[in-house]
Amino acid sequence: GQQVMQIPQYQHVQEGEDFTTYCNSSTTLSNIQWYKQRPGGHPVFLIQLVKSGEVKKQKRLTFQFGEAKKNSSLHITATQTTDVGTYFCAGMSMDSSYKLIFGSGTRLLVRP
Amino acid sequence: DTGVSQDPRHKITKRGQNVTFRCDPISEHNRLYWYRQTLGQGPEFLTYFQNEAQLEKSRLLSDRFSAERPKGSFSTLEIQRTEQGDSAMYLCASSKFRLATGPPEYGYTFGSGTRLTVV
Repeated sequence: GQQVMQIPQYQHVQEGEDFTTYCNSSTTLSNIQWYKQRPGGHPVFLIQLVKSGEVKKQKRLTFQFGEAKKNSSLHITATQTTDVGTYFCAGMSMDSSYKLIFGSGTRLLVRP
Repeated sequence: DTGVSQDPRHKITKRGQNVTFRCDPISEHNRLYWYRQTLGQGPEFLTYFQNEAQLEKSRLLSDRFSAERPKGSFSTLEIQRTEQGDSAMYLCASSKFRLATGPPEYGYTFGSGTRLTVV
C-alpha cells in the first residue's frame, strides 16, 4: 500500500536557525498537505500543494512539491519558539477515496 | 460552528470492555474520517464516510472496530472487547469536497481527539 516517509524524525535547533523536513511517497500523489501538531494538541492544517513543482510561502514557511509529485519539503527560515511542534506531511491518494496517508512526522524543538 | 467536536476527551477502560466514541463534524462538510494516533507516530487511517455511506475501512482494522454515521451527521466509533494495544488517541476529521468525488478544497479539520487507555 501507499507509504509516506518523513525525515528527520527529530530536529533540535537554536532559535533563529533554519529548519527543513522532507517527505517522500512510495506512489504518485494527487496532492500533499502539511499539518502542525503542537504538544498535546491535534493536527492543524497548514497548506495544500496540488501542482507538480509547486512552491508556496506562508511568512517564514516555504513548501515545495516535487516535479514527480512524490516528494515534498517544508522549510522554516529563522525559527522561533512558537514553531515548536511536530510537522506532518500527508499524501492524498490518486484513487477516489482521497484519503490522507500521514508521514511519521518531524518533531521540531527550538532552543531560546 | 465551532469546529469538529469529539466526546469523550479521555476514556479509561478495562481490557475486554466495549467503548464508543462520538464525533460531530463541521456541518457543511460531507466527508468524515477516523484516524488513530500512537505516541511518536503520524495519524493512521481507519475509515471514512461520505455523507452516511462508509466508503472504506482500513485492512489493518480488526472486526472489533465498527463505525457508523447515521443520517450523515455525527459519527460513532465502537471498539468491542478492547485490548491493551487499542490504547491510542482516536482522531476524527471532516472535510468538504467541491464535488461528490473530487479532492477537497482545503485540508481536514481535526477534532481534539479521544485518548483511550486500556488497562
